[in-house]
Amino acid sequence: EIVLTQSPGTLSLSPGERATLSCRASQSVISSYLVWYQQKSGQAPRLLIYGASSRATGVPDRFSGSGYGTDFTLTISRLEPEDFAVYYCQQYGGSPPSWTFGPGTKVEIK
Amino acid sequence: QVQLVESGGGVVQPGRSLRLSCAASGFTFNTYGMHWVRQAPGKGLEWVAVIWYDGSNKYYADSVKGRFTISRDNSKNTLYLQMNSLRAEDTAVYYCARDGGWGGYYRFDSWGQGTLVTVSS
Repeated sequence: EIVLTQSPGTLSLSPGERATLSCRASQSVISSYLVWYQQKSGQAPRLLIYGASSRATGVPDRFSGSGYGTDFTLTISRLEPEDFAVYYCQQYGGSPPSWTFGPGTKVEIK
Repeated sequence: QVQLVESGGGVVQPGRSLRLSCAASGFTFNTYGMHWVRQAPGKGLEWVAVIWYDGSNKYYADSVKGRFTISRDNSKNTLYLQMNSLRAEDTAVYYCARDGGWGGYYRFDSWGQGTLVTVSS
């Protein structure tokens, strides 16, 4: 079973700054199956990035995803007030099918 | 637009049962795989179960296998989760989520607002 680790646990930044979030897998992950979600306080998660680097519909282009193998990154180029939230990475594994989330990174206002 | 509305949550004693429902609208329900994902208070996300678009396959997280049953009624555009032998550690907000459709089975494209299940005596 692949385990996802996210770092840092909390990122304290100011609006306008760049945020770099890491997602590391215990084994190589098929890039197509690496996904990022945003969850604001009291809300359901929202799909942000799929296939490691493709933005979901309606996601601003300040969000970008990259990486392959065991190391993936979500970058927010310039933080807007609405971007302060928790971000989760997720991967899919087959045989039998399973879906695994990382523990999340909280991006908070400094 | 896609809407997923969960219901059926509440407070239940350990060892008892509860059934959650998720009413879907705004898309062709019988062409998408559907999932339940849960989130314990203050914790991260945990995938619980999936059912194929036609109900032909179902898979579960080890933590709920043998106790929870996912099902769907495509004539009613509704997803269900039957939860038996509930434990305190099952306390969570339960979200229903739609997969990404053809080629997108690996991701959760749309989420409901969640329903809270509290297992406590």
